[in-house]
Amino acid sequence: GNSVTQMEGPVTLSEEAFLTINCTYTATGYPSLFWYVQYPGEGLQLLLKATKADDKGSNKGFEATYRKETTSFHLEKGSVQVSDSAVYFCALSDHGFNKFYFGSGTKLNVKP
Amino acid sequence: DTAVSQTPKYLVTQMGNDKSIKCEQNLGHDTMYWYKQDSKKFLKIMFSYNNKELIINETVPNRFSPKSPDKAHLNLHINSLELGDSAVYFCASSQDPEGSTDTQYFGPGTRLTVL
Repeated sequence: GNSVTQMEGPVTLSEEAFLTINCTYTATGYPSLFWYVQYPGEGLQLLLKATKADDKGSNKGFEATYRKETTSFHLEKGSVQVSDSAVYFCALSDHGFNKFYFGSGTKLNVKP
Repeated sequence: DTAVSQTPKYLVTQMGNDKSIKCEQNLGHDTMYWYKQDSKKFLKIMFSYNNKELIINETVPNRFSPKSPDKAHLNLHINSLELGDSAVYFCASSQDPEGSTDTQYFGPGTRLTVL
């Protein structure tokens, strides 16, 4: 079956620190992979996505590379800001059914 | 301007009541979804509709009944509310049910509290 596993949070960093949030997946086919971000009190917003192996998704200084050999899609940012504080969800979509599988979310707290 | 909107934003009600949450999208998408997010932020799909037809129905109590009057609307009706129904409910939409690369666009959520 399909599933997504994310590192547990919360992750607390100081401003300008380097961020990595780990995400691994299990899929029966060749899914597309996504990172969504949820700011406090809001819905989920797409942060970035990758549709095939070795693709790199990037947005707002965040990036993630679709690694088929390690079934991973780790989220990275070189220098986080206080405004990046949010919950980050890794997700995959199942071919043909447009069914999304979300990870459990990782809360990021960035301190000034 | 809002792409996916939900009403109400907050809903507080007593056990045993029946309530509805409405969702509308103005993106012209074919597919709409309902998700439940629990207190630990875990997000689980409940239903998916494509052009007013049910295509995903996860293991959800039959007290939950989605209704899609047209492809721009997907409402969620809940009968006989229970304490365990307290959660944030998110509506979402996407363009193509056949495609696996489509982005889902989420509404702002409805926080349901059952007392």
